Amino acid sequence: SQKIEQNSEALNIQEGKTATLTCNYTNYSPAYLQWYRQDPGRGPVFLLLIRENEKEKRKERLKVTFDTTLKQSLFHITASQPADSATYLCALDSTGGFKTIFGAGTRLFVKA
Amino acid sequence: EAQVTQNPRYLITVTGKKLTVTCSQNMNHEYMSWYRQDPGLGLRQIYYSMNVEVTDKGDVPEGYKVSRKEKRNFPLILESPSPNQTSLYFCASKGAGGFGNSPLHFGNGTRLTVT
Repeated sequence: SQKIEQNSEALNIQEGKTATLTCNYTNYSPAYLQWYRQDPGRGPVFLLLIRENEKEKRKERLKVTFDTTLKQSLFHITASQPADSATYLCALDSTGGFKTIFGAGTRLFVKA
Repeated sequence: EAQVTQNPRYLITVTGKKLTVTCSQNMNHEYMSWYRQDPGLGLRQIYYSMNVEVTDKGDVPEGYKVSRKEKRNFPLILESPSPNQTSLYFCASKGAGGFGNSPLHFGNGTRLTVT
């Protein structure tokens, strides 16, 4: 069955450093990969989408890479801030996009 | 403001007592979906709807029903709730233009406890 793995251990980093989160998947060939941010008690909020034929996507301090050979995406937050502390979810979608599947998320803590 | 609205935010009920969680979106989105979120399991899809009167099962549909009579509304119905349905529920929507290419917009969740 399709499976998405994100590091279940929380990631603790110092303010100003780059946070790197990993998303690995198996038994799936997604057309799109997305990253969401979720704060406690709130719904996930979309951050970035990358297509299968794209290697890298950037938005302000965020960067996503997508390696379909390794079946892996890396999500980077540069110059991290305490306000970046949240859970980050990886999601995969087919072209049809009617069954988006999510990873369990990685909790990020940025210390001042 | 573009948003997905779920009600109620919190719900405590007893086994077997039918309940409905409402979901409404104001973005004229064709696609809507329900997810449940449990610790360590992530978001799992319950049901989705591609448009009015078109619904289909997700990965964990047992014990749930949905309807899509209007484009903006997509209620989740638990006919006979059981304790294993205690969870955090999210409604989400997205527009057309290639569904896979569109991000999901989520509501703020409904925390359901079934005793």
